Amino acid sequence: DAGITQSPRHKVTETGTPVTLRCHQTENHRYMYWYRQDPGHGLRLIHYSYGVKDTDKGEVSDGYSVSRSKTEDFLLTLESATSSQTSVYFCAISVERLGTDTQYFGPGTRLTVL
Amino acid sequence: AQSVSQHNHHVILSEAASLELGCNYSYGGTVNLFWYVQYPGQHLQLLLKYFSGDPLVKGIKGFEAEFIKSKFSFNLRKPSVQWSDTAEYFCAAKRGSQGNLIFGKGTKLSVKP
Repeated sequence: DAGITQSPRHKVTETGTPVTLRCHQTENHRYMYWYRQDPGHGLRLIHYSYGVKDTDKGEVSDGYSVSRSKTEDFLLTLESATSSQTSVYFCAISVERLGTDTQYFGPGTRLTVL
Repeated sequence: AQSVSQHNHHVILSEAASLELGCNYSYGGTVNLFWYVQYPGQHLQLLLKYFSGDPLVKGIKGFEAEFIKSKFSFNLRKPSVQWSDTAEYFCAAKRGSQGNLIFGKGTKLSVKP
């Protein structure tokens, strides 16, 4: 494991409620990512961060926002959850070594929106 | 648009059979390639990666993959699968050393004891 934790690990919520998922890393890696995993779609990038307060959109960013106020924490917020956001959410960090980088994944958060 | 294709949605094998999972990516130039494995209920774990050099890459648990540039392919192989290899396998690619990782849709492998 690359020292990544996610919280909560499971959450059930209702449509229209706000939800925040947290990703925490124990090392000072610059890049952090949020993906969602859905059957038949593989993993799709929601947002990523390349430093404190530096974030950008991924492939499926609509309905999601992110924040990174500290190097070690990357938060994903669903402002008003919808049933289509029921998914498993994975955080990843990018470990850079000798000019290349490899992504390592956290344990995931299973979110159910009723 | 950049894409990664995995040809097989679900592969069923008996123990000791040989495995080859196909992966093709859609863009030329310098590419970094990865295979990840996800055991039931777990997160993705890195199996192996290719950045440059020897196109035959060896990973963990006896897996290997071959990068064939002319075919835009990075197929995963294992000579003899075990029941414990039952998992979902994801191929991923990114252009150059930067850029975002693009995943294939995954191949589910079921190994019968």
